[in-house]
Amino acid sequence: QQQVKQSPQSLIVQKGGISIINCAYENTAFDYFPWYQQFPGKGPALLIAIRPDVSEKKEGRFTISFNKSAKQFSLHIMDSQPGDSATYFCAASNIGGGATNKLIFGTGTLLAVQP
Amino acid sequence: DAGVTQSPTHLIKTRGQQVTLRCSPKSGHDTVSWYQQALGQGPQFIFQYYEEEERQRGNFPDRFSGHQFPNYSSELNVNALLLGDSALYLCASSLQGYTEAFFGQGTRLTVV
Repeated sequence: QQQVKQSPQSLIVQKGGISIINCAYENTAFDYFPWYQQFPGKGPALLIAIRPDVSEKKEGRFTISFNKSAKQFSLHIMDSQPGDSATYFCAASNIGGGATNKLIFGTGTLLAVQP
Repeated sequence: DAGVTQSPTHLIKTRGQQVTLRCSPKSGHDTVSWYQQALGQGPQFIFQYYEEEERQRGNFPDRFSGHQFPNYSSELNVNALLLGDSALYLCASSLQGYTEAFFGQGTRLTVV
C-alpha cells in the first residue's frame, strides 16, 4: 500500500512534442505529490508538486494532472526539449500525518528527447 | 545559498568495513532525511532527523544509523558493509512543517 507505480519505464519523444508520465498510488493518506528530475550523477531536483485539493497545476512547460478518485497523477512536459532528457520520478507523501515528509518514490522514467 | 551539500562525492569501501557520510542542509532548513538509490531505481527512505532525534525510519537494518548535530548537519553511518549497500546515498533537507524537500548531489558508495 506504500507503493507508487510509475509508467512508462522509458520514453522517447521528438523535440517539440508532449511527454507524458503516469503514476498511481494506493494509500489514500498520501496528500502531497511531487515530481523530481534527475540528471546522471546528480541528485533529484524538485520540479513541481501538487496537493489533492486541486486537479491540475501548471508551471511553465510542466503540468501535473491529478485524479483523486482514480488515485492517479501524471506529468505533462509541453514543447519537450533535448535539455529535458533525464530521469523523472514521481513521489508521494503523507504530510498531514505529522509533516515528516517521508517521500515514497516511483521507479523512474528515462526520458530521451530527440532533436 | 549553497544548497544541500554532501561529502564525499565518491567512496570505495571493502566488505565488512564501516562508512560515514555527511550532509549539510540548505540554509534555514532544520530537517534532514537520508535515502538510498540503487542503480536504476527510485530513492528509498532510510530515516529522518529533526531536533537531533530520529523521527521516522524506513525498512533498513540497524547497521544503518545516523546523527544530527546542533547546526542541523547530519551523518549517516553504515556498519558491516555488504556488497548490496553499493548505491547513491542522498540527503534531503526540508523545513519542518513545510512540504518541499531538496536533495544534495549524493555520495556514490561502492563496496568491493
